[in-house]
Amino acid sequence: NAGVTQTPKFRVLKTGQSMTLLCAQDMNHEYMYWYRQDPGMGLRLIHYSVGEGTTAKGEVPDGYNVSRLKKQNFLLGLESAAPSQTSVYFCASRDRLAGGASSSTDTQYFGPGTRLTVL
Amino acid sequence: EDKVVQSPLSLVVHEGDTVTLNCSYEVTNFRSLLWYKQEKKAPTFLFMLTSSGIEKKSGRLSSILDKKELFSILNITATQTGDSAVYLCAVALLPGANSKLTFGKGITLSVRP
Repeated sequence: NAGVTQTPKFRVLKTGQSMTLLCAQDMNHEYMYWYRQDPGMGLRLIHYSVGEGTTAKGEVPDGYNVSRLKKQNFLLGLESAAPSQTSVYFCASRDRLAGGASSSTDTQYFGPGTRLTVL
Repeated sequence: EDKVVQSPLSLVVHEGDTVTLNCSYEVTNFRSLLWYKQEKKAPTFLFMLTSSGIEKKSGRLSSILDKKELFSILNITATQTGDSAVYLCAVALLPGANSKLTFGKGITLSVRP
């Protein structure tokens, strides 16, 4: 049971290049999230998905696209990378809510992160 | 705008000290508050709090929520160097179907031997 995995772990891009970050989870979770973490900024939500085939914008979606073609995978794409996208990217997943607020299903489980540098 | 504020932003203590980390929030439709520990990698879940006044405890760590005053504290007793990390507080909002988390900026705790 690997939990949440992310590939690649590190990447260096030149401005204008494109890339895709892959997140995979083996916990059969419905919800998946992409965050970026910058010094002094905490975790900020980029996009999220509440189920296979669905995506929605988070707090900082500009410059990113996502797809959730399979339940276990959530892809984050950068079409034309910019230095402002230099960051650490985390993927997270969460199970569907099973009951009231007393359940533990608000808990999101995080992947190990991808450190992206855009030159 | 929903807001989660953690204080202090950083803290340096010596092994054996007790520390209290603070998290206050201003959100509409509060559902739960979560604490995570992050040690140079993925945040790992510590506690989820939904009810006021009920302490959650795990070893030397404990946390409590005050829904009237809109804050939570995370206590660490007898600190060890392994407690050095960034501690993140996050709030989940109603309705729960999307259950996005709004994070604070984190508290960097350094425990010196």
